[in-house]
Amino acid sequence: QKEVEQDPGPLSVPEGAIVSLNCTYSNSAFQYFMWYRQYSRKGPELLMYTYSSGNKEDGRFTAQVDKSSKYISLFIRDSQPSDSATYLCARNNQGGKLIFGQGTELSVKP
Amino acid sequence: NAGVTQTPKFRVLKTGQSMTLLCAQDMNHEYMYWYRQDPGMGLRLIHYSVGEGTTAKGEVPDGYNVSRLKKQNFLLGLESAAPSQTSVYFCASSFTTQGRGNQPQHFGDGTRLSIL
Repeated sequence: QKEVEQDPGPLSVPEGAIVSLNCTYSNSAFQYFMWYRQYSRKGPELLMYTYSSGNKEDGRFTAQVDKSSKYISLFIRDSQPSDSATYLCARNNQGGKLIFGQGTELSVKP
Repeated sequence: NAGVTQTPKFRVLKTGQSMTLLCAQDMNHEYMYWYRQDPGMGLRLIHYSVGEGTTAKGEVPDGYNVSRLKKQNFLLGLESAAPSQTSVYFCASSFTTQGRGNQPQHFGDGTRLSIL
């Protein structure tokens, strides 16, 4: 079992929809969780991060961690075509490294 | 404002050939990383460095070597390329370890490598 599991999609939604992206993880010892966004033929860039459990909101984006179920979620409200990208969840690991999920490819149709 | 620059952007090799991928960062970051990204596998760490002159193995180090002779550069070498090493390679850098989410890794735009 991978330490961070993510449904690769692809996921296609109409413009304006609420998008829910999810990951599960298997080790509760590490408490920083991140979402990276990767546009086609570009490198990933940090979108949001959360520490431990709870919610964090930034504009149309909300990151949520549920430690009891080992679930990480990213919600996108009022999705836009410019949100079309691959979204990678990650958590920190021993030695300060990151472990990434497989990435979910999102397409927002106008 | 260059950030992380990877050279080359594309390359096609024949099995058995060698090559070096170059990563340069202008942010004075201590930590640098090499990843490979394959469909369905996400980003996997090959090697990383916690400072000039240091290197360490990541999750998938076999078949690769690295060097960090200068703080701003991190080189990834393939001594004898194999078709299984066909992938997109990303370099990243950060100020500190990723124990704190507010010190993100900054990524280059990747090198697309095909090995025939």
